[in-house]
Amino acid sequence: ELKVEQNPLFLSMQEGKNYTIYCNYSTTSDRLYWYRQDPGKSLESLFVLLSNGAVKQEGRLMASLDTKARLSTLHITAAVHDLSATYFCAVVGNFGNEKLTFGTGTRLTIIP
Amino acid sequence: NAGVMQNPRHLVRRRGQEARLRCSPMKGHSHVYWYRQLPEEGLKFMVYLQKENIIDESGMPKERFSAEFPKEGPSILRIQQVVRGDSAAYFCASSRFTGELFFGEGSRLTVL
Repeated sequence: ELKVEQNPLFLSMQEGKNYTIYCNYSTTSDRLYWYRQDPGKSLESLFVLLSNGAVKQEGRLMASLDTKARLSTLHITAAVHDLSATYFCAVVGNFGNEKLTFGTGTRLTIIP
Repeated sequence: NAGVMQNPRHLVRRRGQEARLRCSPMKGHSHVYWYRQLPEEGLKFMVYLQKENIIDESGMPKERFSAEFPKEGPSILRIQQVVRGDSAAYFCASSRFTGELFFGEGSRLTVL
């Protein structure tokens, strides 16, 4: 059974600081996604990572993938308040379809 | 190009009633996935359907829950005899055969 773990579950950061969210998964995977969810809203796709060593950046967020370690990271640089949200990683297993297994989520709060 | 459309957005039911949640996939998508998100938790896979077929229902509770995706019309997730523990956000996502899942805004079920 594919398991996906994130840590930390909760993260409070001051504006301007850097931090990293970690996502570990238990079996080989084709793809890994990072999503953002604001309270009461749907999921916003941030990144899709397809191969070992993949790195993608958008604004203050950068995601990377190490398929050998089964680890992805989401790095936040110089955090600003509007990055406050819950962030999920999700992994596509080798099921022959697009079924996603989600991590538990990291609730990020940026403190002014 | 309309995204994934879910309705109702909010639904209140009393214990023992039935809940029906509808999902219209994006144009050109014939694959639908349903996920459930309990308060303060990540998304859990429920069922994967193609037109007129249930492909994977490994995440569906054995009783009271059913899903369909008819040849015409939206996919429907049906919950019979709802209980308080069914209160959650139910998200639908669609895809082509391969490729990224696109999520709807979700249907939030409250059971009184």
